[in-house]
Amino acid sequence: KAGVTQTPRYLIKTRGQQVTLSCSPISGHRSVSWYQQTPGQGLQFLFEYFSETQRNKGNFPGRFSGRQFSNSRSEMNVSTLELGDSALYLCASSPGRGETQYFGPGTRLLVL
Amino acid sequence: QQQVKQSPQSLIVQKGGISIINCAYENTAFDYFPWYQQFPGKGPALLIAIRPDVSEKKEGRFTISFNKSAKQFSLHIMDSQPGDSATYFCAARFTSGTYKYIFGTGTRLKVLA
Repeated sequence: KAGVTQTPRYLIKTRGQQVTLSCSPISGHRSVSWYQQTPGQGLQFLFEYFSETQRNKGNFPGRFSGRQFSNSRSEMNVSTLELGDSALYLCASSPGRGETQYFGPGTRLLVL
Repeated sequence: QQQVKQSPQSLIVQKGGISIINCAYENTAFDYFPWYQQFPGKGPALLIAIRPDVSEKKEGRFTISFNKSAKQFSLHIMDSQPGDSATYFCAARFTSGTYKYIFGTGTRLKVLA
């Protein structure tokens, strides 16, 4: 089975721009969670989607949003980028809610 | 408190030695504890996981020890190899009306050849 894929792998943006990241879960997995990883903060939970509905949300501003499609693929969007948004954004999928999560390789975002 | 405290922050071990990473939690709503291994430029990969009704789980050179009363769990890497050099994260699943995984801050392990 193919693993979790994330596109793009690398991205450079400037402050004020917006960005959309994509995640394709493992086939058959219906839950997708997003995390932000930075050296200082570790892995911080952004949100979880299951059956096209956001089920859980972390403590991030409204500039961070996401969605899930009927094929379980998910996108996350960050609007009005700030320098502090520079991070590795990880997507994790699981068969169902709460089950073991499997991570993708991440999208490294650099905001200049 | 939805926190998982992980220590040490970094660890250097000689080849063939035992690497030990510890995690502690306070909230009894945590009910599943996976460990992840992350190499530079890669996403975290599931290494081994344990449920609180088990005190120890072993898979190859990797062992999780779980102390429910102390709310602590640890990862032991026996016969550590240079290829084990990576960052290790413990995690805990919070289950109380919803599901959420909380991650430790990570331990950077370096195994010297």
